[in-house]
This record gives sequence, structure tokens and C-alpha cells, in this order.
Amino acid sequence: AQTVTQSQPEMSVQEAETVTLSCTYDTSENNYYLFWYKQPPSRQMILVIRQEAYKQQNATENRFSVNFQKAAKSFSLKISDSQLGDTAMYFCAFMKTGGGNKLTFGTGTQLKVEL
Amino acid sequence: GAVVSQHPSWVICKSGTSVKIECRSLDFQATTMFWYRQFPKQSLMLMATSNEGSKATYEQGVEKDKFLINHASLTLSTLTVTSAHPEDSSFYICSAWDTAYEQYFGPGTRLTVT
Repeated sequence: AQTVTQSQPEMSVQEAETVTLSCTYDTSENNYYLFWYKQPPSRQMILVIRQEAYKQQNATENRFSVNFQKAAKSFSLKISDSQLGDTAMYFCAFMKTGGGNKLTFGTGTQLKVEL
Repeated sequence: GAVVSQHPSWVICKSGTSVKIECRSLDFQATTMFWYRQFPKQSLMLMATSNEGSKATYEQGVEKDKFLINHASLTLSTLTVTSAHPEDSSFYICSAWDTAYEQYFGPGTRLTVT
């Protein structure tokens, strides 16, 4: 079974600064996907970024980028130019290819962006 | 992007009664939907996989007789919490994958059992 660990329960960052959220995972699979999801106070889950394990290039989406280290089984999220709207719970998630599209979520990191 | 809706958004029921939560994919067909449970300030826990036209697959530890899932069509899955008790109070979220290989989540349903 896969496990996803987020070791930072809470983080805060000043507006316009950069913050990095950590995620590590444990799996024996070689083909899989990794995701970061955002859950704002509305509780609507929103996909932030996705990384295919077979791709060496780190995924980026505007102000969001990841540092994917496959050998180390690490998948951190960097948020640049933080905005107040980035305040949310962030979940790292794992999905193995051919596993019925099931997601395994980490415990989450509550990020607060402050003025 | 694709949209998944849930109804109701919040429901209060008395202990011992049953409550049904609907999950709909509004602009795409979903042969598979997922139901999650989330306690306050905790992560999402997968309860079951809902398969159109067949029985749901439940995760270990989830009572299939308490949480009845029916995937009646390619756009609708329902979760019925039977004989609800206060410990069933939680936030229930459904999700569905579209053909673009992205999972979309519903806005969730808050269940309060009194």
C-alpha cells in the first residue's frame, strides 16, 4: 500500500513571498501520478498541479511549481508570489497507474498567507 | 473544466433516520465515481468506489450496509447513510474522473446527525 506524508501541519508566509510545502511518499510502483490539491475554506477541492512519474521535468502552473525527486520519493510544492487567496489546506496525493484511479491523500498542510 | 455537483450541501437529520446524498457529473459521463469522508481539519478518506451498473467497491473498514451506494446512471451516484448516528456526522465528498484524466470533486455535503 502507498503512504503519503506531509510533515508540516501548518505554515505561514507573507504576501508576495515564496513558500515550499513538503511531501514524501512510499511506494513500490514505478508508474504513478502525484498531485497537489488545494482546499480553501469553502472546502471545494481544487487541483493545483499534477506530475507524471515518468517525466523528469518538474511540472509548473503559473506561480506553482514542484520539485519532484523520484529516487528520494519527494514531491514538494513551491508557491511563488504568495497571494491572500492561496490561504487553504494543501493536500499531496498519490495515484498508481492502473490502480482504478484511486487517490491516496496526505494529511495536509494548512497554509496561511499574511499581509 | 468539468463540474461535479452534490445535493444537498448541508443536511441535518435525527438519529436513526436515513439520508441520501446525490453526486452528479454535469457535463461529462462518469463510469466511476468516488466517495470520501472528511473529518474537521483532517484529510480525505476514501470510502468506496461507485461503478455504473455494478456494485460499489468499499474500502476496508467501511460498513457497506450503513453506507449504501447506487450508481444509477453515467451521471449520478448516490450515497445513503442508513440508520444514521451522531458519529456519522462528517463532511462527505464525491469525485469523478473525466476523459482528460483529471479528477473533479463535488463541493461536499455536511451531514449533522442529532
